Amino acid sequence: SQKIEQNSEALNIQEGKTATLTCNYTNYSPAYLQWYRQDPGRGPVFLLLIRENEKEKRKERLKVTFDTTLKQSLFHITASQPADSATYLCALDEGNTGFQKLVFGTGTRLLVSP
Amino acid sequence: DTGVSQDPRHKITKRGQNVTFRCDPISEHNRLYWYRQTLGQGPEFLTYFQNEAQLEKSRLLSDRFSAERPKGSFSTLEIQRTEQGDSAMYLCASSSYAEGELFFGEGSRLTVL
Repeated sequence: SQKIEQNSEALNIQEGKTATLTCNYTNYSPAYLQWYRQDPGRGPVFLLLIRENEKEKRKERLKVTFDTTLKQSLFHITASQPADSATYLCALDEGNTGFQKLVFGTGTRLLVSP
Repeated sequence: DTGVSQDPRHKITKRGQNVTFRCDPISEHNRLYWYRQTLGQGPEFLTYFQNEAQLEKSRLLSDRFSAERPKGSFSTLEIQRTEQGDSAMYLCASSSYAEGELFFGEGSRLTVL
């Protein structure tokens, strides 16, 4: 069966450290993968998209890697700040639908303490 | 604010009642999506519109659910004869491209008593 797995346990780190979140998937062959941030009671906000032919993508303090052999994406936040505390969702296109039908993981909650 | 707006933000209803949610997408976006999210889970796809045409409905969308997008602008999601299992956050998103960033609204939280 198709699955997207993210750590269900919250990740607690200290301010200034690098947070690394993992997204693993099975039985998908996505052309790209996306990461979103979601604050409590709010809608998800797009952060980054990485394509299958891209190994790494960066945006300010964010870095995403995509390994199609391992079927895994890693999401890094460097120099983390308390304001980075949120739930981070990975999502990929289910494929073969003719439109973008995103399937989301359950998300990993990140807590950055001062 | 030119983002995606949803109304109402919160709705509490009794089991068996009908509820309707409205989504106003970003004006130039022709693609509109509805997702449902329950506590501790990621959003789950419900349905997709391209302009006014509803091109796909998830198996999650039972006969009690209906969505429309008249004139390809705003969209409504109606749930008839609500059940407690319908309690969730209903998220609307829009986009202008076939792939890439989805712009989500803040969601409509439904509580069925």
